[in-house]
Amino acid sequence: DIVMTQSPDSLAVSLGERATINCKSSQTVLYGSNNKNYLAWYQQKPGQPPKLLIYGASTRESGVPDRFSGSGSGTDFTLTISSLQAEDVAVYYCQQFYSTPSWTFGQGTKVEVK
Amino acid sequence: QVQLVESGGGVVQPGRSLRLSCAASGFIVSNHGMHWVRQAPGKGLEWVAVIWYDGSDKYYADSVKGRFIISRDNSKNTLDLQMNNLRAEDTAVYYCVREDRNGYSYFDYWGQGTLVTVSP
Repeated sequence: DIVMTQSPDSLAVSLGERATINCKSSQTVLYGSNNKNYLAWYQQKPGQPPKLLIYGASTRESGVPDRFSGSGSGTDFTLTISSLQAEDVAVYYCQQFYSTPSWTFGQGTKVEVK
Repeated sequence: QVQLVESGGGVVQPGRSLRLSCAASGFIVSNHGMHWVRQAPGKGLEWVAVIWYDGSDKYYADSVKGRFIISRDNSKNTLDLQMNNLRAEDTAVYYCVREDRNGYSYFDYWGQGTLVTVSP
């Protein structure tokens, strides 16, 4: 199975500042045949199910604010919140769709307001 | 609009069985891969099982293989998870999840979840 490792486990950012979350996969999630990264990001607020933010490593889901962006390729990926808002306090997960049927998630990164 | 509503959770003793159900609306389950994902209290997300969009294949996490069975009723547009020989470590919120494959793959809709507690 592909192991997804996120860093840091938690971070505290001031409102309006940038938050950066990293996700590293134990093997590539880039399909060479179509040059697509099979990597998604989710946001989970307390008491709620996860919500899809980003797929294909960098494509924002419809309705997701543009302060959220994803980047990276192969084994190293980043989720950036360009200007943290109070409503962004949540746990964020990355997930790979390359190695199926075993969809694996990162352990999660908790984002709080400093 | 797309909705997924889970039911069937509760408190059950170790070794017993429980059946979860997920009612889908706003789309046809047989047009999508459908998954169960669980989350133990205070922990991260763990994929549990999938049934392929055409029902041709079913796959399970090693942690539940041989004990859980995923199924689908196309006439009712529902997804089920039969959980047998439950263990304490199966205690979690179980989410019904839709997979979309619009050029990529991703889990685009999640239910609110149903809590399963395995306790003596």
